[in-house]
Amino acid sequence: GAGVSQSPSNKVTEKGKDVELRCDPISGHTALYWYRQSLGQGLEFLIYFQGNSAPDKSGLPSDRFSAERTGGSVSTLTIQRTQQEDSAVYLCASSLAAIGGNTIYFGEGSWLTVV
Amino acid sequence: QKEVEQNSGPLSVPEGAIASLNCTYSDRGSQSFFWYRQYSGKSPELIMFIYSNGDKEDGRFTAQLNKASQYVSLLIRDSQPSDSATYLCAVLISNFGNEKLTFGTGTRLTIIP
Repeated sequence: GAGVSQSPSNKVTEKGKDVELRCDPISGHTALYWYRQSLGQGLEFLIYFQGNSAPDKSGLPSDRFSAERTGGSVSTLTIQRTQQEDSAVYLCASSLAAIGGNTIYFGEGSWLTVV
Repeated sequence: QKEVEQNSGPLSVPEGAIASLNCTYSDRGSQSFFWYRQYSGKSPELIMFIYSNGDKEDGRFTAQLNKASQYVSLLIRDSQPSDSATYLCAVLISNFGNEKLTFGTGTRLTIIP
């Protein structure tokens, strides 16, 4: 696609429910990143994929969070048993290869509200 | 100590003046440095990146890097109201194929007409 596509763009869910956020990176981009940004805060690194592999999962806040990537393309971030503190915008970004020589492009984010 | 630190602001600068945004980082292994601009409710967009010590200029923007002092800055010349946004500093560390791009909390810049 033309850019990084994320869905849903907005999600309101009840505390305790599971949510799944989807990211469709720019075609051909092998690197994919998930970040979380709470209101008025900076970007918190969650996880990085190179292809389908995630070398660093240390940023995931708790075991309620998981992410996967299939076919070296689409990625899903799953939050189980959502809590109010999970409310934030979840940003996905992709780059052609490793960042070192490439720009990363962000999607418009998935705005999650847990009530 | 935070990995990437920025003054949260707000920083107010008159239109036409130079805006100076600063960032310090803690990991001496950091290799690449990025400045992103984020308008309210929007996703970050890349302004500049810098790898080597010294200055890098692109239009009205100049990035400055001093690895010895672990300091990176962004200068915006001839500031315009459209430059009002939050500016995020980001630092890249790569180790054996594992990459981590860490962001600061951002500096909110307001250009006063």
